[in-house]
Amino acid sequence: AQKITQTQPGMFVQEKEAVTLDCTYDTSDQSYGLFWYKQPSSGEMIFLIYQGSYDEQNATEGRYSLNFQKARKSANLVISASQLGDSAMYFCAMSVNTGFQKLVFGTGTRLLVSP
Amino acid sequence: GAGVSQSPRYKVAKRGQDVALRCDPISGHVSLFWYQQALGQGPEFLTYFQNEAQLDKSGLPSDRFFAERPEGSVSTLKIQRTQQEDSAVYLCASSLVGVFVQGLTEAFFGQGTRLTVV
Repeated sequence: AQKITQTQPGMFVQEKEAVTLDCTYDTSDQSYGLFWYKQPSSGEMIFLIYQGSYDEQNATEGRYSLNFQKARKSANLVISASQLGDSAMYFCAMSVNTGFQKLVFGTGTRLLVSP
Repeated sequence: GAGVSQSPRYKVAKRGQDVALRCDPISGHVSLFWYQQALGQGPEFLTYFQNEAQLDKSGLPSDRFFAERPEGSVSTLKIQRTQQEDSAVYLCASSLVGVFVQGLTEAFFGQGTRLTVV
């Protein structure tokens, strides 16, 4: 069965510094996708970044980059130059190929950015 | 609207009551998902629709949970005889395509309905 593990319940970072949020995954599928979502206190899940299992280069989206290490089955999110508005819950997720793209989520990491 | 809309945002139900949660997906999106997010947890899959067809309901926790999408757009998640363990945020998501493809198929989420059963 597919599983996402996020071992950091909470992380603290100072404004303008970089932070890495850890994510490891377990799957026997060869084709899958890895996602990071941000969930602010308002509740919606905001898509941040995507990495396909066949993508050779690490994905980047603005201040977000995904450190994809396939052999280690890890997909860490790096946020550069943290901002106060980055304070939120962050979820790593994996798409499961069951004919359609179902997402399996980790338990999340709460990030607090301090001035 | 441009995004996924869910209503109500908050619902308080007495134990044993029936509730109905509504999801308006993005227009034209084929796929619609329901997820349940318990406090302090990540979302967990409940059910999936491709247009009006419910292709997977393996995540529904009991036969008290029922979902429909009769015309392939708006969806309703119904919970009968609510129990305290049903208290959670119920998230709806939609995406443009209906099948798994290698590549980004972004799922757009609504803000969720927070259900509290007292």
